[in-house]
Amino acid sequence: GAVVSQHPSWVICKSGTSVKIECRSLDFQATTMFWYRQFPKQSLMLMATSNEGSKATYEQGVEKDKFLINHASLTLSTLTVTSAHPEDSSFYICSARDRGVTGANVLTFGAGSRLTVL
Amino acid sequence: SQQGEEDPQALSIQEGENATMNCSYKTSINNLQWYRQNSGRGLVHLILIRSNEREKHSGRLRVTLDTSKKSSSLLITASRAADTASYFCASDSSYKLIFGSGTRLLVRP
Repeated sequence: GAVVSQHPSWVICKSGTSVKIECRSLDFQATTMFWYRQFPKQSLMLMATSNEGSKATYEQGVEKDKFLINHASLTLSTLTVTSAHPEDSSFYICSARDRGVTGANVLTFGAGSRLTVL
Repeated sequence: SQQGEEDPQALSIQEGENATMNCSYKTSINNLQWYRQNSGRGLVHLILIRSNEREKHSGRLRVTLDTSKKSSSLLITASRAADTASYFCASDSSYKLIFGSGTRLLVRP
């Protein structure tokens, strides 16, 4: 089945530094990847839709200069949290849609990355 | 708010019992999906029901959809301790998945 690899699974950084999270589709090509943020015991909030070769589409209220998304290839999307602050601490999850599957929008999720900003 | 609502927020049952979770969403949909999340992990797709379907089965899972009420339910029959997880509905509209608030299910052995 489709597999999405997300790295790192956890990261601790100092306030003011930038952190990059990678999301790779291992056995399929993903024209579209989605980035979600999840607070403890809460639901997933869609941050942005990442399209291969074009700019990401951000949801309302998400700062595009704060959360930089790059989707340079059909198998890789990255999320960079710039100048991270403690309030950016969260669980970030990526997901991908298989371009080879038409019809319903069924997503394959990465295992998530837990970011802690000190 | 982006999210739909789910109830109950938390559910504790004995192994072997059935678990029912309800979900409401806000917009018109192409389909509605249910996902499962083990603690601190990513989500796993469980089942999808299209907007023109009313009920769907998959193993021990039964999903219903009422588009007039913008609601869905997930029934897990004969629950097992391994079913302990959080369950989220996700409404698919314009090729974006918007997740509900989730139900935390605890199945006691």
